[in-house]
Amino acid sequence: GQNIDQPTEMTATEGAIVQINCTYQTSGFNGLFWYQQHAGEAPTFLSYNVLDGLEEKGRFSSFLSRSKGYSYLLLKELQMKDSASYLCAVRDRGGADGLTFGKGTHLIIQP
Amino acid sequence: EPEVTQTPSHQVTQMGQEVILRCVPISNHLYFYWYRQILGQKVEFLVSFYNNEISEKSEIFDDQFSVERPDGSNFTLKIRSTKLEDSAMYFCASSEVLEVDEQYFGPGTRLTVT
Repeated sequence: GQNIDQPTEMTATEGAIVQINCTYQTSGFNGLFWYQQHAGEAPTFLSYNVLDGLEEKGRFSSFLSRSKGYSYLLLKELQMKDSASYLCAVRDRGGADGLTFGKGTHLIIQP
Repeated sequence: EPEVTQTPSHQVTQMGQEVILRCVPISNHLYFYWYRQILGQKVEFLVSFYNNEISEKSEIFDDQFSVERPDGSNFTLKIRSTKLEDSAMYFCASSEVLEVDEQYFGPGTRLTVT
């Protein structure tokens, strides 16, 4: 079966750094995605990892270790608008496969 | 910037009725998806569609559901006989290529079954 785990909620301070972890156990692996979702809105793409290592994109970075079934999303210089849910999702095979999403981590940014 | 659009934004229907949710994917995209998100729960994959046929479907996508690309721009999800538990936000998504490309999500249709 598919299992993706991430913390339910995290709190961080404006200007700080936060790391959101995700572990996955899937029948196959063909890429890990991070999406941001504000309440009542659609998910928006943040990052994609298919090989081990770190991908950096401005204030956001994502790391993948396939052997450990582990990823994290790192957000730097936090802003109030970063308050949202962060969704970890795995594509488990090739083909036009849909993504399997975790339950999301609700990130609260405090002044 | 091109975007996925969905109509209607909110649909209210009675149990047992048929509903059709509409999506216009980004014009040069080839892969289309439907997801749903029940309030407070995770996003769940329903179906993927490529080259005018279903590529993959989840356990949720039973005989009550169907998808269609009736013309060169629209992509629809039909629920034949709605149930209360079908109440959710339904997201359409599309991607240009397959292996490394992100899926762009539309704004969603909130379906309420009474």
